[in-house]
Amino acid sequence: NAGVTQTPKFRILKIGQSMTLQCTQDMNHNYMYWYRQDPGMGLKLIYYSVGAGITDKGEVPNGYNVSRSTTEDFPLRLELAAPSQTSVYFCASRALGTGELFFGEGSRLTVL
Amino acid sequence: GQQVMQIPQYQHVQEGEDFTTYCNSSTTLSNIQWYKQRPGGHPVFLIQLVKSGEVKKQKRLTFQFGEAKKNSSLHITATQTTDVGTYFCAGTHSGAGSYQLTFGKGTKLSVIP
Repeated sequence: NAGVTQTPKFRILKIGQSMTLQCTQDMNHNYMYWYRQDPGMGLKLIYYSVGAGITDKGEVPNGYNVSRSTTEDFPLRLELAAPSQTSVYFCASRALGTGELFFGEGSRLTVL
Repeated sequence: GQQVMQIPQYQHVQEGEDFTTYCNSSTTLSNIQWYKQRPGGHPVFLIQLVKSGEVKKQKRLTFQFGEAKKNSSLHITATQTTDVGTYFCAGTHSGAGSYQLTFGKGTKLSVIP
């Protein structure tokens, strides 16, 4: 079982560039999330989805977009990258019964 | 927005000493979860508490959920070097969608051998 898979693991962007962080889960979870983690700041929710075709904003959505065309995939799009978006990004899916979040290994993004 | 406050931010202990981290919310939580993140790793689920006053144990770890369901704690007895990492609480606020978890900022535990 792969669980939650994120790509890429590392990426350096120039200011103004765009990119997509990929996230795939093979556990048939309906709920999926994107968090960003800055040093000493915990995890902040960017966007979440409760099922295919349904997405909603979290605490810090500005500068990001998501889509959820299938249960498995939940990509995060960064448009016009800014230095403030330098962070570690975690994708997670949630088990309905236990409520447990399963996290991917993270994507470390640096914007210069 | 709704917040979950977690203290302390850092804790350094000698191996064998106990460790406790606390979470507090100004509003009632429907449940609270705890996660551990090793340095350079991703958060890993430890437990979920749902009932008022609930206490659960996992070997040397004891988790509590307050009677008012506004606070929670994680206590580690006789720490070991394998306990090193950052411990996060994550709460679901009552009335919010059950799918939204708010994370505390975490307590980073260092264990001196």
